Amino acid sequence: QQQVKQSPQSLIVQKGGISIINCAYENTAFDYFPWYQQFPGKGPALLIAIRPDVSEKKEGRFTISFNKSAKQFSLHIMDSQPGDSATYFCAARRGGSNYKLTFGKGTLLTVNP
Amino acid sequence: DSGVTQTPKHLITATGQRVTLRCSPRSGDLSVYWYQQSLDQGLQFLIQYYNGEERAKGNILERFSAQQFPDLHSELNLSSLELGDSALYFCASSGRGSPDTQYFGPGTRLTVL
Repeated sequence: QQQVKQSPQSLIVQKGGISIINCAYENTAFDYFPWYQQFPGKGPALLIAIRPDVSEKKEGRFTISFNKSAKQFSLHIMDSQPGDSATYFCAARRGGSNYKLTFGKGTLLTVNP
Repeated sequence: DSGVTQTPKHLITATGQRVTLRCSPRSGDLSVYWYQQSLDQGLQFLIQYYNGEERAKGNILERFSAQQFPDLHSELNLSSLELGDSALYFCASSGRGSPDTQYFGPGTRLTVL
């Protein structure tokens, strides 16, 4: 059972364009939703995260939009750059004493120059 | 550089063998997490330790075990290896100050022949 569904699997965007990656979850006990960025040969790195008490969070060119009623959240990358080319993972974490993350399957983003 | 170190970087072994992967968390981080990344399953949580004690268990096979030592480094032991165990194994750590943020190491690529 896949608890966090991510789409699309891959995405090609022109430089300067907007990249949008979507995730949906089932478990309403999730209370923390991070996005991770992974470059080839490296470990995932935290990009931005949101909690369900806000509908949007922006950090530079990266924005998370969160829709609690629809159980969906998305990552928007504005003014996409070739250096943004990487695999992006959404994740979710249940409240409680452990902090294990449940990841989506990832989106391979390619930004063409 | 996340501050999390993993050794070895690459490991090639044969079916039926046993290997040990090592992780040193960021200085001061008490929590260590192990994840398996494969093409078909994506990033899957295996196990979490907090200050030497097991805190949460995920999709970890009985052939796999882990521990966290008093100096907080952790080891993941994989035994009776099968071809399907070939994957990237990541360790992550988090600290008391920001337990939500997991910092991932560079991973160990395991190839079982």
